[in-house]
Amino acid sequence: QVQLQESGPGLVKPSETLSLTCTVSGGSISSHYWNWIRQPAGKGLEWIGGIYFSASTNYNPSLKSRVTMSVDTSKNQFSLKLTSVTAADTAVYYCARRTDIVSNWYFDLWGRGTLVTVSS
Amino acid sequence: EIVLTQSPGTLSLSPGERATLSCRASQSVSSNYLAWYQQKPGQAPRLLIYGASSRATGIPDRFSGSGSGTDFTLTISRLEPEDFAVYYCQQYGSSPYTFGQGTKLEIK
Repeated sequence: QVQLQESGPGLVKPSETLSLTCTVSGGSISSHYWNWIRQPAGKGLEWIGGIYFSASTNYNPSLKSRVTMSVDTSKNQFSLKLTSVTAADTAVYYCARRTDIVSNWYFDLWGRGTLVTVSS
Repeated sequence: EIVLTQSPGTLSLSPGERATLSCRASQSVSSNYLAWYQQKPGQAPRLLIYGASSRATGIPDRFSGSGSGTDFTLTISRLEPEDFAVYYCQQYGSSPYTFGQGTKLEIK
């Protein structure tokens, strides 16, 4: 079955760029929108944005100025870059698959998540 | 941006009891595009309900969703030990897609 696995540095310095990759296994990335969602410790979930295999993107306006997502279909991976990070960006970051029902932005498959801490 | 408010913050019940969780939106959710997720400690969220009332694949029928417009409810008809977790609602009727702050369902 399809599985998602996040990877990347667990510690990022303030003002630097957070970079994460999600690897899709057991299926092709060439369908669905692929998303990043984060969760600060003890808090709720925040949708960061999504990318289609064609590289079409949909970002949360609150983060849009700092977010870039990309997709590498040859590696079945998609990535997140978040610039100018602060302590407020410390969170567990999940990659997630949007349902294949057109225009329905709910998430039917999630990775296990990776903790990213912003600290000097 | 649509703000979702979940209540109660914590719900204490015993196995076998009925649980009713509420999710209220700051404005009407287009097409009743409302989903519910279950999250256990250290795990990713799991989709339970989409379209306000449709169960996701593999979800037991003791879980049901209802509501429309701004008021939505997740009902667990008869609590099993594995149902004690945090539950989130999410609206996807308009971007940005937002989540509620969660309801913790704990064993009484």
